Amino acid sequence: DGGITQSPKYLFRKEGQNVTLSCEQNLNHDAMYWYRQDPGQGLRLIYYSQIVNDFQKGDIAEGYSVSREKKESFPLTVTSAQKNPTAFYLCASSLSGLRNTEAFFGQGTRLTVV
Amino acid sequence: SQELEQSPQSLIVQEGKNLTINCTSSKTLYGLYWYKQKYGEGLIFLMMLQKGGEEKSHEKITAKLDEKKQQSSLHITASQPSHAGIYLCGADPRPEGAQKLVFGQGTRLTINP
Repeated sequence: DGGITQSPKYLFRKEGQNVTLSCEQNLNHDAMYWYRQDPGQGLRLIYYSQIVNDFQKGDIAEGYSVSREKKESFPLTVTSAQKNPTAFYLCASSLSGLRNTEAFFGQGTRLTVV
Repeated sequence: SQELEQSPQSLIVQEGKNLTINCTSSKTLYGLYWYKQKYGEGLIFLMMLQKGGEEKSHEKITAKLDEKKQQSSLHITASQPSHAGIYLCGADPRPEGAQKLVFGQGTRLTINP
């Protein structure tokens, strides 16, 4: 079955540590996105990638890094520079990075800093 | 920056009743998307609207985009427990270039039996 998979579902991190969230899709989509969701708020765009080996900062990129070495994979690293990393992280993909194509979302990773 | 305001933020209705959720922007929207989210899970795509005055329906859910493309509504007819969840509107605020959706804060819908 085609889809987008995020892992792990729950992640705990100690302060000062970097952590990487996985996002894999087998939909053959060109574009991939990372969003952050905080309680009672909508989604905010962290990074997005329209094609392999290219990515752009979103609205809240500080403290995060990404890579897009393969079409199907778009991992997100939450670095120690991110001051408030506890949140629900959602990965999405769409057929192309052009407008008016719906995005498909993974099930999310809940990151908690302890 | 582009902001999307959803109203109400929370809604409790009796099963079988109709309801409407609104999504409003001060700027023109180029592509309006409605998603549903179960708590702690990913988003499920419901509908996409592009043209002013456009209306789409799927089962008991109807979404409309006004002529000015600044406001959208999501209407559920004869609500059922399966409709419960968080509804989010998303939109692309730019006329061209890469798609960069911005989202409203969501509307939490509870259906009472």
